[in-house]
Amino acid sequence: AQSVTQLDSHVSVSEGTPVLLRCNYSSSYSPSLFWYVQHPNKGLQLLLKYTSAATLVKGINGFEAEFKKSETSFHLTKPSAHMSDAAEYFCVVSPSSGGSYIPTFGRGTSLIVHP
Amino acid sequence: EPEVTQTPSHQVTQMGQEVILRCVPISNHLYFYWYRQILGQKVEFLVSFYNNEISEKSEIFDDQFSVERPDGSNFTLKIRSTKLEDSAMYFCASRIGTARTGELFFGEGSRLTVL
Repeated sequence: AQSVTQLDSHVSVSEGTPVLLRCNYSSSYSPSLFWYVQHPNKGLQLLLKYTSAATLVKGINGFEAEFKKSETSFHLTKPSAHMSDAAEYFCVVSPSSGGSYIPTFGRGTSLIVHP
Repeated sequence: EPEVTQTPSHQVTQMGQEVILRCVPISNHLYFYWYRQILGQKVEFLVSFYNNEISEKSEIFDDQFSVERPDGSNFTLKIRSTKLEDSAMYFCASRIGTARTGELFFGEGSRLTVL
């Protein structure tokens, strides 16, 4: 069984300040982990993914995430928020083995960026 | 860049009517998925499809739902008799192969409104 917990439903930052979106996962097997972004009235776009290679993963638009097995976390960060980063962010876990191939979504975190 | 396309972008229907949502996955992808997102709620898995048959489905995917790949390019989701609670954004996704590490590529979604 697997699950994803996104610890914050909303995160509010000022433009130019750092962003931290938290994600914890539970998986019976070593998982693959993903962050997707959803801008208003748009589809889901992949930001970055972790697939058991480097634990620090760099993605698009300056985002990165660090896989910490000991903490079962995969938090998303960005050094400096931009207004265009305002969107819904989803952490997704996909089992690397076991019976199910199905990626599971977290509830999402809404990032609000103030000027 | 190849992408997943979905039609219609928005459909309004009366309760009890049949609805077909269409998707064209990326051409060399082998796994296909439908997810849905009820307004303000998390993205939920409905069904996955591989080698012309359902590989996994959730408890949401009951007898009123069906999927098919009628012509080798389209991938459709049919809801036989819509209910008010079927109102949601439906996302189609595809994945290149059996590698669990592969990310899902999503379409922009079809918003279904049941009146």
